[in-house]
Amino acid sequence: GIQVEQSPPDLILQEGANSTLRCNFSDSVNNLQWFHQNPWGQLINLFYIPSGTKQNGRLSATTVATERYSLLYISSSQTTDSGVYFCAGPGATNKLIFGTGTLLAVQP
Amino acid sequence: GAGVSQSPSNKVTEKGKDVELRCDPISGHTALYWYRQRLGQGLEFLIYFQGNSAPDKSGLPSDRFSAERTGESVSTLTIQRTQQEDSAVYLCASKVGANTEAFFGQGTRLTVV
Repeated sequence: GIQVEQSPPDLILQEGANSTLRCNFSDSVNNLQWFHQNPWGQLINLFYIPSGTKQNGRLSATTVATERYSLLYISSSQTTDSGVYFCAGPGATNKLIFGTGTLLAVQP
Repeated sequence: GAGVSQSPSNKVTEKGKDVELRCDPISGHTALYWYRQRLGQGLEFLIYFQGNSAPDKSGLPSDRFSAERTGESVSTLTIQRTQQEDSAVYLCASKVGANTEAFFGQGTRLTVV
């Protein structure tokens, strides 16, 4: 099945800073999602982005399917952005394969 | 329903007891997934349902774990003879079809004492 690697594994930012999180896949994917797991454990959908670029407020994402990676951009970070960011793509039998996540801490 | 609903939210059980965790997917979602997340870890795939069938149950850690789905709707994850290492958050997700967005429930936090 596919392997999903995320980088960096953890990140500390000052409030207001920008950051880029990366997700690499070992094989081509035809759909990809980014999630934010908040400190209370809830998984929140950020983007469903098989290819191209999408933006939602301070967040945007780009997937280059042919090169097997996706990027999540966070601009003007806020303390509420803290948590773990996961990307996930389809493995064999259509199960969702998750990366190991990026732990983000935004300090005031 | 409006979202994926899981019950109970929290469950504390004694070692050796059986537990049942329930997932109500979004109406019309044919695909349903169960994951386990231990403290500070990533999401571990357990089982995937398409309709009422489970084409992939490769993630079930032992024969103490089983799951079923009925009416292409509700799913139940059963853990028999619980062990302390079963303590984790169990998450359920559903989606309409293959290349669509998956949505997660809030999870069931299981603690085995």
